[in-house]
Amino acid sequence: DTAVSQTPKYLVTQMGNDKSIKCEQNLGHDTMYWYKQDSKKFLKIMFSYNNKELIINETVPNRFSPKSPDKAHLNLHINSLELGDSAVYFCASSEGQGARYFGPGTRLTVT
Amino acid sequence: QKEVEQDPGPLSVPEGAIVSLNCTYSNSAFQYFMWYRQYSRKGPELLMYTYSSGNKEDGRFTAQVDKSSKYISLFIRDSQPSDSATYLCAMRYNNAGNMLTFGGGTRLMVKP
Repeated sequence: DTAVSQTPKYLVTQMGNDKSIKCEQNLGHDTMYWYKQDSKKFLKIMFSYNNKELIINETVPNRFSPKSPDKAHLNLHINSLELGDSAVYFCASSEGQGARYFGPGTRLTVT
Repeated sequence: QKEVEQDPGPLSVPEGAIVSLNCTYSNSAFQYFMWYRQYSRKGPELLMYTYSSGNKEDGRFTAQVDKSSKYISLFIRDSQPSDSATYLCAMRYNNAGNMLTFGGGTRLMVKP
């Protein structure tokens, strides 16, 4: 039983394309997140959704748009991909402000 | 200077050794402290979650928080090759609005 799942696991695409990453959690948590991990392993929060409402939006380009159809899903859509968007993107969930439970990650490579 | 600092390693130890992993931080408002283990090409996995100062033990793992020194540690006893991974510390304020600040991780290698 996978707690936090995301698809696809790998994504290779060209500059300028639009792509989406999907995330689902079956933990019943009320908060979901998107994190970006760069090549130096630093995890930085991008978005946080609580009961379908955006509550954190760090300094992320507006080419990135999170969409939450329901409490168990938080998708990430990226427009006009750039080389610097290459990274590993992790979805996570938590109950309130508790510990984060992470998905397996989506490795995005922009060529 | 980053808010949370971790030595990136790699830290190489023989099997059976006691491992000490550390983080220092600059903001005394941090109240909740976490340790995550991340295997290569996998998501971070929560190991320990502690509040304020003191020790917490779970099997071979002990988390220690010293708020006066702004220093947290994770000890691994009887280390195993399967412990080889990157260890990330994370922390947040009391009413953080879901903000969690991560260290950059320490890569640990346990050699058989």
